Amino acid sequence: AQKITQTQPGMFVQEKEAVTLDCTYDTSDPSYGLFWYKQPSSGEMIFLIYQGSYDQQNATEGRYSLNFQKARKSANLVISASQLGDSAMYFCAMREGPPSNTGKLIFGQGTTLQVKP
Amino acid sequence: DAGVTQSPTHLIKTRGQQVTLRCSPKSGHDTVSWYQQALGQGPQFIFQYYEEEERQRGNFPDRFSGHQYPNYSSELNVNALLLGDSALYLCASSLVWESKGELFFGEGSRLTVL
Repeated sequence: AQKITQTQPGMFVQEKEAVTLDCTYDTSDPSYGLFWYKQPSSGEMIFLIYQGSYDQQNATEGRYSLNFQKARKSANLVISASQLGDSAMYFCAMREGPPSNTGKLIFGQGTTLQVKP
Repeated sequence: DAGVTQSPTHLIKTRGQQVTLRCSPKSGHDTVSWYQQALGQGPQFIFQYYEEEERQRGNFPDRFSGHQYPNYSSELNVNALLLGDSALYLCASSLVWESKGELFFGEGSRLTVL
């Protein structure tokens, strides 16, 4: 079974509008972390936002917010006020176990986002 | 503050050859992880090094090996290259006791096997 599922291979959004990228996960470990990364065509994975399994509030980082629904095992990324520079591949990833397990992330298949002017 | 740096950025090899990829972690980081990313796919975890030892390993054959030096830099070696080894190889560094366990990635080494 897939541990990280991103069901949207490609998404389009109009500049200045908000967009939601979906991510569902599967783990039996009570301690885990969820990450979103952006990968432009250059190849570098750019960290966007993090949500820990025990965090009470949804994470926010500037224009990025994470809609964490623990019971549904979903961790959707919301990008507000889209910009042309947001066009890239977006990956959802999970770390199972405590932060000391860092390094071994499980990635989804990614969603390609294109922002239209 | 230098981020994660990888070399070379691009390389072409033929089947059966061996390749070594290099990574310098972000300043202050002590842990290095390697990932393989095939075209159009998400990255797959290869292994992680901490204190010069392989700490965790993904589902990759023994042809993939690594090393970490006292200065925390790392190498990924792949022997007996196959066409299927063509991919972007990403290095990521972290601090083992950092509260989030955030990974910082380099821009990758793109390997083409002919």
